[in-house]
Formats: sequence, structure tokens, C-alpha cells
Amino acid sequence: AQRVTQPEKLLSVFKGAPVELKCNYSYSGSPELFWYVQYSRQRLQLLLRHISRESIKGFTADLNKGETSFHLKKPFAQEEDSAMYYCALSGNQAGTALIFGKGTTLSVSS
Amino acid sequence: ETGVTQSPTHLIKTRGQQVTLRCSSQSGHNTVSWYQQALGQGPQFIFQYYREEENGRGNFPPRFSGLQFPNYSSELNVNALELDDSALYLCASSIPTGSYEQYFGPGTRLTVT
Repeated sequence: AQRVTQPEKLLSVFKGAPVELKCNYSYSGSPELFWYVQYSRQRLQLLLRHISRESIKGFTADLNKGETSFHLKKPFAQEEDSAMYYCALSGNQAGTALIFGKGTTLSVSS
Repeated sequence: ETGVTQSPTHLIKTRGQQVTLRCSSQSGHNTVSWYQQALGQGPQFIFQYYREEENGRGNFPPRFSGLQFPNYSSELNVNALELDDSALYLCASSIPTGSYEQYFGPGTRLTVT
């Protein structure tokens, strides 16, 4: 079965602390993995995707095929990082449907 | 460049009624996907349209149907509304070649009473 699991509903950290949002997946084949973010009162938007191997707003995510994980990390959290984060996967053809996890709310306080 | 727009922003319907939600895709995007997001859940894929044809469907009953028009705008129709259909309905547009990114609209909040 194709599934994305985000085990934490809420992650609360202090400003400057490291952040790791966990994501595990189940998929038969080679999926594409993504992190989407939704800031307060804004629409869902792409944060990063594993094929780009990029760092966006200080966030990185490494695909671990052995552990079927795609955890999102940032060494020093900022208050503006507070948002809802969704891990998602799709088949390896552009434009195919996304399968989302339930999301993790990240709350960064000073 | 115009982003994805959806209408209406929110609406309230009664169980058993029918509803039509609308989506205008981002300029240049010919693929539209619809998602249902229940409270506290991630978005769930309903179906996708590419060049006016259904191009994939999630685990939703036939009373969820859609259309895509020549200008790539799209409609989601839901018949015989049930209480569990209350959710945020998201539309996302994309280009099916090259880019994997889907661009989301702000959503339509549907409440069924």
C-alpha cells in the first residue's frame, strides 16, 4: 500500500534549536518525495523535493531508501518557520497525484 | 503570472444536495488535480484531469465527478452530499512534463449540514 506517515502531530521547539520533522513512506517502486508547507493564512506550497537536493530556507531532507524515510531538518529554527508541514510522495512521472501524510505542526517560540 | 484560483471560498449545503466547485489553473498549466482535506488530515487525492480527460482517480465514489474545459479550468461536482463530505477542497495545477511541482489554490471550504 502507498502510504506516508508523519508520526508527530505537533513539534514545539525554541528559537535556535535544531528541528527534525519525521516522515516515513511505503511505496512499491521509486517514488518522488516532497515536503510541502502551509504558513498561517497561506496556501499549501512546495518547500523542497528530493530530486533537487536543494536547501530551502535552511531546510534539507535526505531520502533514505533503506529506512524508507525522508526526514526534514534545519539546524537552527526560526520563529517564521512555524507552520504546518506535509510530507508527500508521487510516482516517478511528473504531474502524477500526490499522497500526503497527515502533517506536523511546527511551533517555534522565543 | 496568475496563480491558481478557486470559487467559492466557502459554502454550506444540506445533506442530499449537489455542489459544484470551480478552479482556474495557473497560466500555462494543462493538468488539474483535486484533493479533499478533512479536518486534521492531509490532502487526499480525488482525481486528476489532463487535456480534458480524467487521468487518474483516488478512492472516491462515482458521485464525485469532474470536468476540465479547453482553457484548462476545472470543476468538481459532488452529488448526494453526505455529512462526511464536509472538508476543504483543494485544486492544484501542474505541467505533466519536467516539473514535479503542483501549485495549489486556496481551497473551498464545504460544510454539509
